[in-house]
Amino acid sequence: DGGITQSPKYLFRKEGQNVTLSCEQNLNHDAMYWYRQDPGQGLRLIYYSQIVNDFQKGDIAEGYSVSREKKESFPLTVTSAQKNPTAFYLCASSITSENYNEQFFGPGTRLTVL
Amino acid sequence: AQSVAQPEDQVNVAEGNPLTVKCTYSVSGNPYLFWYVQYPNRGLQFLLKYITGDNLVKGSYGFEAEFNKSQTSFHLKKPSALVSDSALYFCAVRGGWDFNKFYFGSGTKLNVKP
Repeated sequence: DGGITQSPKYLFRKEGQNVTLSCEQNLNHDAMYWYRQDPGQGLRLIYYSQIVNDFQKGDIAEGYSVSREKKESFPLTVTSAQKNPTAFYLCASSITSENYNEQFFGPGTRLTVL
Repeated sequence: AQSVAQPEDQVNVAEGNPLTVKCTYSVSGNPYLFWYVQYPNRGLQFLLKYITGDNLVKGSYGFEAEFNKSQTSFHLKKPSALVSDSALYFCAVRGGWDFNKFYFGSGTKLNVKP
């Protein structure tokens, strides 16, 4: 069953802690993305990666970090420097060879800071 | 700069009536346009896309979208709404100098009343 998985579904963090959100895909897609979704604000791009060992900052990268050591995996770390991390986080992937291909999304991780 | 606008935060329609969710875009080069649907606490699901050719694109669940180049619009439509269509709808465009980036609208909440 092909697709994108995100874990955990719900995550609770104390202030000052770093947490890592997992994203895995078995679609053989080159590009992967992390978005943050807040109520009424749509999707905002945090980071994206077009190829292994390379990634670019999106619009709201401050307080976040990523790695892309394997094609299938693109974990996101929310650091203590992120001032307001409570949000719904979505991972996505797409084919890079043609720019008319859509993104596929994971089910999301809801992060709550206690 | 690439951008997408969804001018309505919310659209209300009665079941059985036609629905339209509006989207306008700004992109350099050829636009590749997408519609996604999101149910509560879920990831985004792809509905349909416009690449080239026929201005009326048909997608999943009976949805269609009309591309209008002169008005730079890509409105989502359905001839007869269902209560189960109630969800959050996002328009997106892919293109520009970094064709691996997607630009999303802020989303439109569709409410279909019985």
